[in-house]
Amino acid sequence: KAGVTQTPRYLIKTRGQQVTLSCSPISGHRSVSWYQQTPGQGLQFLFEYFSETQRNKGNFPGRFSGRQFSNSRSEMNVSTLELGDSALYLCASSLLFLGGANVLTFGAGSRLTVL
Amino acid sequence: SQQGEEDPQALSIQEGENATMNCSYKTSINNLQWYRQNSGRGLVHLILIRSNEREKHSGRLRVTLDTSKKSSSLLITASRAADTASYFCATDSPGGQGAQKLVFGQGTRLTINP
Repeated sequence: KAGVTQTPRYLIKTRGQQVTLSCSPISGHRSVSWYQQTPGQGLQFLFEYFSETQRNKGNFPGRFSGRQFSNSRSEMNVSTLELGDSALYLCASSLLFLGGANVLTFGAGSRLTVL
Repeated sequence: SQQGEEDPQALSIQEGENATMNCSYKTSINNLQWYRQNSGRGLVHLILIRSNEREKHSGRLRVTLDTSKKSSSLLITASRAADTASYFCATDSPGGQGAQKLVFGQGTRLTINP
């Protein structure tokens, strides 16, 4: 079955612009999580969605937002881009079930460069 | 914030040798997972160990968990060049309807020299 698909894979923006990243989870996976990865901070949790509801949010400013659609596809948006937003943005989906472990399947990531 | 701290940050060994990476965490957990990341790519799940388990094997991987010391180790035996990657531990804290997030360590960058 198809894996987690993230688009676009690479993009370059300038400061002040906004960006939207898309993630299609594995079919049947209803939970989608987003992470930001930078050399200095490592993997930082952004947010997690389940059945179109944001259930958990990391410590990021309000410029970072996301949503999930009824087909479980998810998007994240970063507005008013700053140089420090340059990072690899990773989306992961999981098949959560009660009492089960949250094993994540990651996409290849979207590499954002802010100039 | 990072829950897991990994040690060493970087490790370079010869092909065929064993590689050991360690992870320490701060709060109680339901389980601990290890992931691998090849350069600039997404992470791949390797193995999961539950809080009531002490050791687990999967192929050339061996994971141990010591909840009293809040630490885990990942051993890769008979390393190969293809094992060159970064390795991350991730903890899944108790509470709620399943876990809502995994918290990752900073990772260990493993280089296998031919």
